[in-house]
Amino acid sequence: DAKTTQPNSMESNEEEPVHLPCNHSTISGTDYIHWYRQLPSQGPEYVIHGLTSNVNNRMASLAIAEDRKSSTLILHRATLRDAAVYYCILLAYSGAGSYQLTFGKGTKLSVIP
Amino acid sequence: KAGVTQTPRYLIKTRGQQVTLSCSPISGHRSVSWYQQTPGQGLQFLFEYFSETQRNKGNFPGRFSGRQFSNSRSEMNVSTLELGDSALYLCASSLDSRAANTIYFGEGSWLTVV
Repeated sequence: DAKTTQPNSMESNEEEPVHLPCNHSTISGTDYIHWYRQLPSQGPEYVIHGLTSNVNNRMASLAIAEDRKSSTLILHRATLRDAAVYYCILLAYSGAGSYQLTFGKGTKLSVIP
Repeated sequence: KAGVTQTPRYLIKTRGQQVTLSCSPISGHRSVSWYQQTPGQGLQFLFEYFSETQRNKGNFPGRFSGRQFSNSRSEMNVSTLELGDSALYLCASSLDSRAANTIYFGEGSWLTVV
């Protein structure tokens, strides 16, 4: 399974932008880059995903390096509700048309008021 | 639209018993997968079902099993419970198995084995 590497933790001041990095040097051409976040005592929540081009949605932006070996999740203005563990995941088929998500440790984001 | 629904939310079982957890995916979603989350091991993939067929299985013992019904609802069963099975069990659904699809998670079922 393709692996991702993320910092264990990061801090941000409220209302400032946050850049969460992810390295995935073994990514294959058909792997999609997905980001999920998990608040305490809740299931993971979808944030954003992409393949090659940068992506934007109402929650965040995803910047993908040209060689696709790394990506950055950008929260434009951090709020206290953004404090969570953020997971960067590579998603691809794994035989028989199926898939599985392989979660790493993720990055615990703390937002300082 | 309604999200992924998991029942029960909380349960306590005794070592040696068995447990069944239920998952109702988002309407129209045909792929359902299950994950176990523990403080020590993090989130680990259990299995994935599509159109009533298990197509992928994680590295868990045979005590962990599941099934999917024709309406895409899914159940997972753990037999002969051990203390180490205490965990948050998460169900996720997506339209199908394409990697481009968004995957939606339920709130999870908290299982405590005593």
